Amino acid sequence: GAVVSQHPSRVICKSGTSVKIECRSLDFQATTMFWYRQFPKQSLMLMATSNEGSKATYEQGVEKDKFLINHASLTLSTLTVTSAHPEDSSFYICSAPARGGAYNEQFFGPGTRLTVL
Amino acid sequence: GQSLEQPSEVTAVEGAIVQINCTYQTSGFYGLSWYQQHDGGAPTFLSYNALDGLEETGRFSSFLSRSDSYGYLLLQELQMKDSASYFCAVGHYGQNFVFGPGTRLSVLP
Repeated sequence: GAVVSQHPSRVICKSGTSVKIECRSLDFQATTMFWYRQFPKQSLMLMATSNEGSKATYEQGVEKDKFLINHASLTLSTLTVTSAHPEDSSFYICSAPARGGAYNEQFFGPGTRLTVL
Repeated sequence: GQSLEQPSEVTAVEGAIVQINCTYQTSGFYGLSWYQQHDGGAPTFLSYNALDGLEETGRFSSFLSRSDSYGYLLLQELQMKDSASYFCAVGHYGQNFVFGPGTRLSVLP
């Protein structure tokens, strides 16, 4: 099956700093990737859709200036949490659709646990 | 708007059969997916139903009734490793997938 990696797996930062999370499709190309946020014992909430070569599409209520997304190549999307605050502490997960763009099957990265002090 | 409902928790014993239901309200529906997520891990795809009926994959089966806006995941011969959270996710034309609130399955020895 397709493999999606994320880096870092865990990050702790001070309030006010920025954190960059990378999402890579290792053995396939992904023109679209999704970024989710998950709080403890809750569901996955879609934050934005990352599109290679164009601007990301953000879900309602997600600040695009705070959560910067760049999809510079067919295998890499990055999410930068700018001026992070404690309330941004969460589990951030990226995913890419299966080959052929079938959104019903998504391959998820292992996630990044962000803790903002 | 879109909404999905799942039971929050289900408990069963090893070897048993458990059914996790998912009801949804949405427009432009085109399919229902199921994902498994162990604590601290990433979700993994289990199954997808676009048409009414039962899809079987090993010990797991998934069912969809489009007319009832209802589906379920059936887990047979439960094993301890099946203890995890299970999410249904609904796909909509022109929109991205929306995940349900999740059902936490605990399998007891």
